[in-house]
Amino acid sequence: GDSVTQMEGPVTLSEEAFLTINCTYTATGYPSLFWYVQYPGEGLQLLLKATKADDKGSNKGFEATYRKETTSFHLEKGSVQVSDSAVYFCALWGSGGYQKVTFGTGTKLQVIP
Amino acid sequence: DVKVTQSSRYLVKRTGEKVFLECVQDMDHENMFWYRQDPGLGLRLIYFSYDVKMKEKGDIPEGYSVSREKKERFSLILESASTNQTSMYLCASSPRGAYNEQFFGPGTRLTVL
Repeated sequence: GDSVTQMEGPVTLSEEAFLTINCTYTATGYPSLFWYVQYPGEGLQLLLKATKADDKGSNKGFEATYRKETTSFHLEKGSVQVSDSAVYFCALWGSGGYQKVTFGTGTKLQVIP
Repeated sequence: DVKVTQSSRYLVKRTGEKVFLECVQDMDHENMFWYRQDPGLGLRLIYFSYDVKMKEKGDIPEGYSVSREKKERFSLILESASTNQTSMYLCASSPRGAYNEQFFGPGTRLTVL
């Protein structure tokens, strides 16, 4: 079945540092890939997505590129802020048409001033 | 502003009680989902519904049931609560169609004593 593997956290960075959160996946066919973010006390919200190979999703300074050859969708940001402190979830929607999203376990990011 | 609301943010129940968690969305979405979120396990799908009165089991349906009598409302029922059902419960909705964003509620933290 489909699966998503994320790097374990927590990740602690200083403000303005470069961020990478690794995500790899296993799926048949051509899934769509997502990053969701959960701020403290809130539900998840979509950060960015990519629906086909080599697509780059971007939002709020975050980027991720759908790499089919390495089955990866790593999240990056050039300069993090304290307000980016949250839990980040990588997810995929399989291409089988089933209305189901598979989520990773989440990576907690803490940015310190 | 689109919204998914959940009936309670925090809930404390006793073992053996019947528990109802309510979720309402105002976006006229066809799909609705119930997840539980546990540390180290990420989000796991309990049930989802793609239309009124329709439901499908997710990955961990045991001990739960659902009801969807109206398009905007999706209820999760714990028939006889147990301590291993202590968790954060997240409701989400999405429009019909592939690869669409899911919109999440703020979650209900349920503690079963």
